[in-house]
Amino acid sequence: QLHLQESGPGLVKPSATLSLTCTVSGGSMNTNTFYWAWLRQSPRKGLEWIGYIYYSGITYYNTYLKSRVAISVDTSENQFSLKLSSVTAGDSGVYYCATWVGGTTRSFTSWGQGRLVTVSS
Amino acid sequence: DIQMTQSPASLSASVGDRVIINCRASQSISNHVNWFQHKPGNAPKFLIYGASTLESGVPSRFSGSGSGTDFTLAISSLQPEDSATYYCQQSYTTPYTFGLGTKVEI
Repeated sequence: QLHLQESGPGLVKPSATLSLTCTVSGGSMNTNTFYWAWLRQSPRKGLEWIGYIYYSGITYYNTYLKSRVAISVDTSENQFSLKLSSVTAGDSGVYYCATWVGGTTRSFTSWGQGRLVTVSS
Repeated sequence: DIQMTQSPASLSASVGDRVIINCRASQSISNHVNWFQHKPGNAPKFLIYGASTLESGVPSRFSGSGSGTDFTLAISSLQPEDSATYYCQQSYTTPYTFGLGTKVEI
């Protein structure tokens, strides 16, 4: 059973870059079973898919965030990361990392507990 | 983008009650709907995929149905531990989108 845990700053200044890391335990990330995903939740927008990355490094992003998002993976450290640039107050919320399984499942199957990030000066 | 509209936004029911949560998609999405349970402070829990297939380990009192644009999550006999917010999500196409949630109170 995979366990995912988000980490990173809980407070980010406007116009700065938000950076979060997800540490995966209970299995190897060097597998073609999962995509490694980031999502976020805010009172204004609800739950929102940010994007995901395959172990090979191929990325897929939500078109609304694509110009500001970068997701990377380090399978040797069993971690993957999110960077969101030029943040505003609208980027505040709880950020989740999760696994995406394709095929017949096509769902986010395991989630972290979430990391609350506030954008404020 | 495909909009997912859930109803009701919240409900209150008693232990043993049958509970129905509705989810409507803004366009036909075949059976590509997933359901999640979320309790405050916990990781969201994956319940159902493909509109009606229970994830391994999910109690059989949970069931899902629907296709096209209208979907339901049912809890046949509500238990105290089912108090949570439930979300539907479409996996038909990116960007994947979620409903705003239904808060179930016991």
